[in-house]
Amino acid sequence: GNSVTQMEGPVTLSEEAFLTINCTYTATGYPSLFWYVQYPGEGLQLLLKATKADDKGSNKGFEATYRKETTSFHLEKGSVQVSDSAVYFCALSSYNTDKLIFGTGTRLQVFP
Amino acid sequence: DSGVTQTPKHLITATGQRVTLRCSPRSGDLSVYWYQQSLDQGLQFLIQYYNGEERAKGNILERFSAQQFPDLHSELNLSSLELGDSALYFCASGAGEVNTEAFFGQGTRLTVV
Repeated sequence: GNSVTQMEGPVTLSEEAFLTINCTYTATGYPSLFWYVQYPGEGLQLLLKATKADDKGSNKGFEATYRKETTSFHLEKGSVQVSDSAVYFCALSSYNTDKLIFGTGTRLQVFP
Repeated sequence: DSGVTQTPKHLITATGQRVTLRCSPRSGDLSVYWYQQSLDQGLQFLIQYYNGEERAKGNILERFSAQQFPDLHSELNLSSLELGDSALYFCASGAGEVNTEAFFGQGTRLTVV
């Protein structure tokens, strides 16, 4: 079946550090891939997405590239800020999936 | 603002009781999804409705039920509540029948005491 695996958190970084949060997936066919972010006390917000292989999604300085050969969609940011502290969820959907399938989420804590 | 509205934001109730959570999807979206988020289980898909019909079912307990009305708003009914039902319940909406992107509401925090 379809599934998403994320690196476990929390990820703790100093401000301006480089961020990578790993995400790999298992899916039949050609899924669309997403990163959602959940700030404290809020709902999930779509951060970025990619719908086909080699696509790069980007938003607010975050990037992720759809890598079919490694079935990965790692989230990166060159310089994190304290305001990036949140929980990040990787997710997929595909033509044979009735719903978004989420990873377990990775908590990011950025300190000044 | 995602355009998805959930009410109430917070709910405190006793074990054995029944509650109803409400969701209004984004304008034009036909699909509504319900998710449960708890500390130990992560984000669990409960159920999906598309244009008034049940489309997919996930890990939804028999004590829980949902429906989508002709105006496309949806309600999630939780009955015979137990302490373990305490969680954040999210509604999300999407345009299509098969989910390619979802927009989430702010959630309803349910506390069962």
